[in-house]
Amino acid sequence: SQQGEEDPQALSIQEGENATMNCSYKTSINNLQWYRQNSGRGLVHLILIRSNEREKHSGRLRVTLDTSKKSSSLLITASRAADTASYFCATQRAGGTSYGKLTFGQGTILTVHP
Amino acid sequence: SAVISQKPSRDICQRGTSLTIQCQVDSQVTMMFWYRQQPGQSLTLIATANQGSEATYESGFVIDKFPISRPNLTFSTLTVSNMSPEDSSIYLCSVPGIHMNTEAFFGQGTRLTVV
Repeated sequence: SQQGEEDPQALSIQEGENATMNCSYKTSINNLQWYRQNSGRGLVHLILIRSNEREKHSGRLRVTLDTSKKSSSLLITASRAADTASYFCATQRAGGTSYGKLTFGQGTILTVHP
Repeated sequence: SAVISQKPSRDICQRGTSLTIQCQVDSQVTMMFWYRQQPGQSLTLIATANQGSEATYESGFVIDKFPISRPNLTFSTLTVSNMSPEDSSIYLCSVPGIHMNTEAFFGQGTRLTVV
């Protein structure tokens, strides 16, 4: 079942601006991952943050995780038109039986205008 | 990392027919997962394909509708049976990372349209 919610559902910005997307979830997790999907194709992994981490950076991406609030945010700095895509958070629940299973948020559609 | 080849990439099918989607991984993996993404929606887990045992289905999904095969550690198929327009979706296979806190890998997806 879907446990994650993301906001905003859609975000439209100009090139060079920053984009922030938020994700909330409901259960205890081992990690939270962010993925990008272009035009309904396969998913591209962006970044993974473990439950004992609070912040992580990768290039223009910055992810935060607040396990007390069960929420995460993805910040894309200096956005480019090529960043236009759908972005999903996905959580891997705590517990051995959940290994590999991901529960996805509803996604944010990001449009970056040149 | 794992490379997943999924086919077909897309298909248009008549209602009442069945479509089998194949997923080939370039390395041996214990578990493979099948997800559905309905139009404009997020991904929902259909089932876990385990080698050597029956697939484990999530709530709302049944074997008669989505039979799964897992003949070896690198291959799996998902069949969408007796299709209706409501089955129009993108179907994706996935394998987990090498250990708990590593990324999962996804195939490119199969875009299915049922007319």
